[in-house]
Amino acid sequence: DQQVKQNSPSLSVQEGRISILNCDYTNSMFDYFLWYKKYPAEGPTFLISISSIKDKNEDGRFTVFLNKSAKHLSLHIVPSQPGDSAVYFCAARPNTGNQFYFGTGTSLTVIP
Amino acid sequence: DAGVIQSPRHEVTEMGQEVTLRCKPISGHNSLFWYRQTMMRGLELLIYFNNNVPIDDSGMPEDRFSAKMPNASFSTLKIQPSEPRDSAVYFCASSRLLDSNYGYTFGSGTRLTVV
Repeated sequence: DQQVKQNSPSLSVQEGRISILNCDYTNSMFDYFLWYKKYPAEGPTFLISISSIKDKNEDGRFTVFLNKSAKHLSLHIVPSQPGDSAVYFCAARPNTGNQFYFGTGTSLTVIP
Repeated sequence: DAGVIQSPRHEVTEMGQEVTLRCKPISGHNSLFWYRQTMMRGLELLIYFNNNVPIDDSGMPEDRFSAKMPNASFSTLKIQPSEPRDSAVYFCASSRLLDSNYGYTFGSGTRLTVV
């Protein structure tokens, strides 16, 4: 049973515009969330995180928003650049244990 | 730091054969994770170890899959016998047990094709 869901398998955005990637989760015990970025033939790499005590975390062009009541988080990339084209995974960790559960990924294409 | 090292990068095998995937975690990391990536399920956790001890193997699909971590610097994931539906990219990742807020460091993966 998929506890972390990314319902959009792909997204295309024009360079310079905003990219919004969405993620939903079902387990109310999740209290820490990450976004990973993955290029072809490479492993995923950490992008940005957010704790459940916050509703927003920003790092340069990347901002993650968390809506705990809706069990929803989103990643905003502004402005989008062609180098942002990759697969993005969201991941969530329960308040017990150190394992992260990943979504199915969203493939972002930024069109020059 | 060489990162998490996985071998082989690619493996093509015939159905019924035994397959062994290998992983060397980052030195000093005491948690190790095996994930499988498929289109349908994304990154699926198979098993993870803390301090070389298996903690949760509930994600291992069936008895054909087994994983070991004989020491802090080496882990294997074995499939015996392999089946075409096992074809996927398998990732190994590691982290420090008490410092997983930056997630894991992943290896480059092993692309397994079972024909």
